[in-house]
Amino acid sequence: AQSVSQHNHHVILSEAASLELGCNYSYGGTVNLFWYVQYPGQHLQLLLKYFSGDPLVKGIKGFEAEFIKSKFSFNLRKPSVQWSDTAEYFCAVNASPGGYQKVTFGTGTKLQVIP
Amino acid sequence: GAGVSQSPSNKVTEKGKDVELRCDPISGHTALYWYRQSLGQGLEFLIYFQGNSAPDKSGLPSDRFSAERTGGSVSTLTIQRTQQEDSAVYLCASSSKPGTSWSSYNEQFFGPGTRLTVL
Repeated sequence: AQSVSQHNHHVILSEAASLELGCNYSYGGTVNLFWYVQYPGQHLQLLLKYFSGDPLVKGIKGFEAEFIKSKFSFNLRKPSVQWSDTAEYFCAVNASPGGYQKVTFGTGTKLQVIP
Repeated sequence: GAGVSQSPSNKVTEKGKDVELRCDPISGHTALYWYRQSLGQGLEFLIYFQGNSAPDKSGLPSDRFSAERTGGSVSTLTIQRTQQEDSAVYLCASSSKPGTSWSSYNEQFFGPGTRLTVL
C-alpha cells in the first residue's frame, strides 16, 4: 500500500528564510505527486503537482518541489518565505495513475512564519 | 457555484445521535472522496466514489459510518450513534474522470468542510 511521510510536523521560520519541507513516499512504480496547502480558515488547495517530465516542478507563490525517484522524495522548497506563507502543507501521492484515483496524504506540516 | 460545497458548515450534536453530512461536488466530476481531519492527525481517507459506486470503503472507521452517492452527484456521509471521538472536520473532494484532461487528472478540489462536534 502507498504511504506518505512528512517528517517535520511544525516548522517555525523568520521572514526571508529559506524553506524545505520533506516528503517521502513508499511505492516503487509510477506515481503522481502533489503538495496541497491549507491557509488558516481556508480550503485545502493545490500548490503544485508532478505527473511526468521535468522533476523540478514550479507551483504558485514561488514554491517548487523536486521529485527524486531514487530517494522516493518530493520535497517542497521556497527560497524566501513570507508571513503569508503561514499555513499547513500536505504532501500526497497517487500510486495508480490511469486507474483508481486514490490519493494518500501525509499528516501535514504546520509552517509558522514570524515577521 | 463552481466549487465543492458542503453542508452544514458546523454541526453540534449529542453523543448517540445520528448525523448526516452533505457534499455537492463540482459539476461533471465523477470521483468523490470523503476525508476526516482531526486535530494533529492530518487527513484520514474515509471513502471514494466513482460515479455512484464506492470501490474503496476501507477508510470508514466503523460500521456506524456509511456513505452514499446518488445520480453521480451529491453524496451524504452518515454517522450513526455518534461518539465524542467522531468530532473532527469532515472534508469532501471531487475530481474529474480520467481521460478528460491529463493536466487535471487526479487533482482533487476540496470543499470547506463540516466541523462536527459531539458533546
